[in-house]
Amino acid sequence: QVQLQESGPGLVKPSQTLSLTCTVSGGSISSGSYYWSWSRQPAGKGLEWIGRISSSGSTNYNSSLMGRVAISVDKSKNQFSLNLSSVTAADTAVYYCARHRAGEGFDYWGQGTLVTVSS
Amino acid sequence: IQLTQSPSFLSASVGDRVTITCRASQGISSYLAWYQQKPGKAPNLLIYSASTLQTGVPSRFSGSGSGTEFTLTISSLQPEDFATYYCQQLNSYPITFGQGTRLEIK
Repeated sequence: QVQLQESGPGLVKPSQTLSLTCTVSGGSISSGSYYWSWSRQPAGKGLEWIGRISSSGSTNYNSSLMGRVAISVDKSKNQFSLNLSSVTAADTAVYYCARHRAGEGFDYWGQGTLVTVSS
Repeated sequence: IQLTQSPSFLSASVGDRVTITCRASQGISSYLAWYQQKPGKAPNLLIYSASTLQTGVPSRFSGSGSGTEFTLTISSLQPEDFATYYCQQLNSYPITFGQGTRLEIK
């Protein structure tokens, strides 16, 4: 059974960089069939896709985040990571990692981690 | 690509048949998924490729459509189905979600 688990600081100061890691268990992140995505959800609001990475390291990002996003993969640790720079209060949200195939839905999700941006 | 769900709020009773619609601002073939989300939980994949039932999802859930108009139907509502439902397009980047449909008990 594939499981994903987000980890990282729950509190980040404005203008700093938010860094989260997603650890994958029960399956290899190196599988060529899958993409690995980050999404987020502010309290009481809808879902926003942030970006994704393949096992080969190719990425796609949501342009709404205006170049502040970087996603990387560490195959040796079976992890992928999110960096979001120059954060503001508007970046406060529950952040989720997830797995998917091209054109198909996100079949496995982490439980989500709340990140609050505040001084 | 913008996805618009209707209705945004739906009140229904156990045993009812309900339909949620998702309209895309441009054609997305059949690259549409549906999710159920309960408070404090991650979304759960119900349907992908517009009409393919995810393994383990009850058969009372079904999806249809292609191009720009899609529907999610729950044939007979069960108590555990009261939740928020989202559509998602995976035809092109950025991947986008609908705004959600909150399904509550009447």
